[in-house]
Amino acid sequence: GESVGLHLPTLSVQEGDNSIINCAYSNSASDYFIWYKQESGKGPQFIIDIRSNMDKRQGQRVTVLLNKTVKHLSLQIAATQPGDSAVYFCAELRAEDDKIIFGKGTRLHILP
Amino acid sequence: DAGITQSPRHKVTETGTPVTLRCHQTENHRYMYWYRQDPGHGLRLIHYSYGVKDTDKGEVSDGYSVSRSKTEDFLLTLESATSSQTSVYFCAIGQENYGYTFGSGTRLTVV
Repeated sequence: GESVGLHLPTLSVQEGDNSIINCAYSNSASDYFIWYKQESGKGPQFIIDIRSNMDKRQGQRVTVLLNKTVKHLSLQIAATQPGDSAVYFCAELRAEDDKIIFGKGTRLHILP
Repeated sequence: DAGITQSPRHKVTETGTPVTLRCHQTENHRYMYWYRQDPGHGLRLIHYSYGVKDTDKGEVSDGYSVSRSKTEDFLLTLESATSSQTSVYFCAIGQENYGYTFGSGTRLTVV
């Protein structure tokens, strides 16, 4: 099966609050991870990536945290807005064949 | 989706007919990929290409073939469409360790 997975299929967050989307991976040799956002009817859109030599990386309103000890990845979205409503995928560069493997996704619902 | 165009956006076809989906890029990128996206399975790699006439199979390649005669075009062909190939198909460009850029997708329905 896939080594990349997500803890929750659906996450509901109040507008203005911070969102945290989690992802677990099983291959400790993986050294590159990516978060994608997919809005309805569109293709996945690159949000942010992180390499295994980092624990944290920040973008505009988004932060990715990598915990290699427990093989856990998270995406934090600050001050969640209605436009953040989408499905979020984590992806892992599989070490054995250099192919990117995608998790099944978490749907983020924004509550008014 | 700037730089990647998929066509058609939607298609309905009958079981047993051949279907070709087209991915066109203007980024002059060597690497191109075809994925299918299904509920409960996420994105799965069908075929990929590392250059003109250089293609290889992904994890779900059965029933699909590809061709890359020009850098900018990557074609996905279903030789004889089946209902199990009803899906949303995404083309992507990019290098594995730098992430991908995806097209807008083709929704294919096989009836």
